[in-house]
Amino acid sequence: EADIYQTPRYLVIGTGKKITLECSQTMGHDKMYWYQQDPGMELHLIHYSYGVNSTEKGDLSSESTVSRIRTEHFPLTLESARPSHTSQYLCASSDDRAYGEKLFFGSGTQLSVL
Amino acid sequence: AQTVTQSQPEMSVQEAETVTLSCTYDTSESDYYLFWYKQPPSRQMILVIRQEAYKQQNATENRFSVNFQKAAKSFSLKISDSQLGDAAMYFCAYRSGNTDKLIFGTGTRLQVFP
Repeated sequence: EADIYQTPRYLVIGTGKKITLECSQTMGHDKMYWYQQDPGMELHLIHYSYGVNSTEKGDLSSESTVSRIRTEHFPLTLESARPSHTSQYLCASSDDRAYGEKLFFGSGTQLSVL
Repeated sequence: AQTVTQSQPEMSVQEAETVTLSCTYDTSESDYYLFWYKQPPSRQMILVIRQEAYKQQNATENRFSVNFQKAAKSFSLKISDSQLGDAAMYFCAYRSGNTDKLIFGTGTRLQVFP
């Protein structure tokens, strides 16, 4: 079944650790996105990609980095996690329609940095 | 810069009744798209309904419909015959016709009571 998957679902780590949040989609979408969402708040775009080898920074400044080596895979990496990185991270892909594209979201990764 | 405002942090409705969630936005553009996304507790965010700004006819999807008032920059969501499964956070979102970035509102938490 075509879908978008994020792992891990929950992650608790100590300050200074390097982490990678995984995101994969099986829908063949070219466009992929990472959003950061604090509890009860709006989503903020932190990274996006138009396709393989394309990565762009979003509207919210983030110390994370992303890569897009394969169409289906869009991992997000934090080299040195800090408590300020505690948040929910949502990955999404789009069906790239010419008008009003629909976003498909993963279940999210809830990150807690102690 | 475009903004999206959801002035109702929380709403509640009785099962089988109708509820309307408000959303206003600010833009100077004429070409844009508006969306309502639903985020159930601990589940994936999904698209509920979308509206192209150039279309005067309000979008409908089964029990979900919008009241799009372009001049007033208002985009409310009406849920008819509310069901327990409608309980979720609802996010209004805006996308310019010139970009791939969605701008989200702060969300409205909808509770549905039996």
